[in-house]
Amino acid sequence: KQEVTQIPAALSVPEGENLVLNCSFTDSAIYNLQWFRQDPGKGLTSLLLIQSSQREQTSGRLNASLDKSSGRSTLYIAASQPGDSATYLCAVGGNKLVFGAGTILRVKS
Amino acid sequence: GAGVSQSPRYKVAKRGQDVALRCDPISGHVSLFWYQQALGQGPEFLTYFQNEAQLDKSGLPSDRFFAERPEGSVSTLKIQRTQQEDSAVYLCASSSLRWGTYEQYFGPGTRLTVT
Repeated sequence: KQEVTQIPAALSVPEGENLVLNCSFTDSAIYNLQWFRQDPGKGLTSLLLIQSSQREQTSGRLNASLDKSSGRSTLYIAASQPGDSATYLCAVGGNKLVFGAGTILRVKS
Repeated sequence: GAGVSQSPRYKVAKRGQDVALRCDPISGHVSLFWYQQALGQGPEFLTYFQNEAQLDKSGLPSDRFFAERPEGSVSTLKIQRTQQEDSAVYLCASSSLRWGTYEQYFGPGTRLTVT
């Protein structure tokens, strides 16, 4: 059974800092990995999707990497802003996504 | 529509009542998913449709939960005889197979509170 773990559970940083969120999964036979953002009381917004054959994806200040052999992914956020404050969720799978519990990020101005 | 929509956004039900939650996927998306998100947790898979066919319902927690998508577009998740443990946010997502990916797009969710 696939299990996804996200570390840290919560993170508070000053504005402008670069930061890394971690995601690990137990079964490396994944189809893709998706990073989402969830604002309080809202649904999920897809940030980046990495197919199993890829090693990284970039969008603006966000960069996500995937190492299937070690069962790990990282989400790198450059020059963090208060508007980045949200819960970040990692999910693996194909048709059926398995989610981690998320990292709650707070960027202080 | 521009995105996945869900209704109602909030639902309060008394224990034992039946509820029906609706999902309108992105137009043209053949795949539709339901997830349940408890407070402070990540979403958990409930069921998956491809067009009108329910291909996986392994995540439905009990036979009180039933989902349908009769015309391959709008879907309804029904919960019979609601219990307090059913209180959660129910998220719907849709996707289209494009370039071999299954990127899922989520709706805002329905927050169900059972009293």
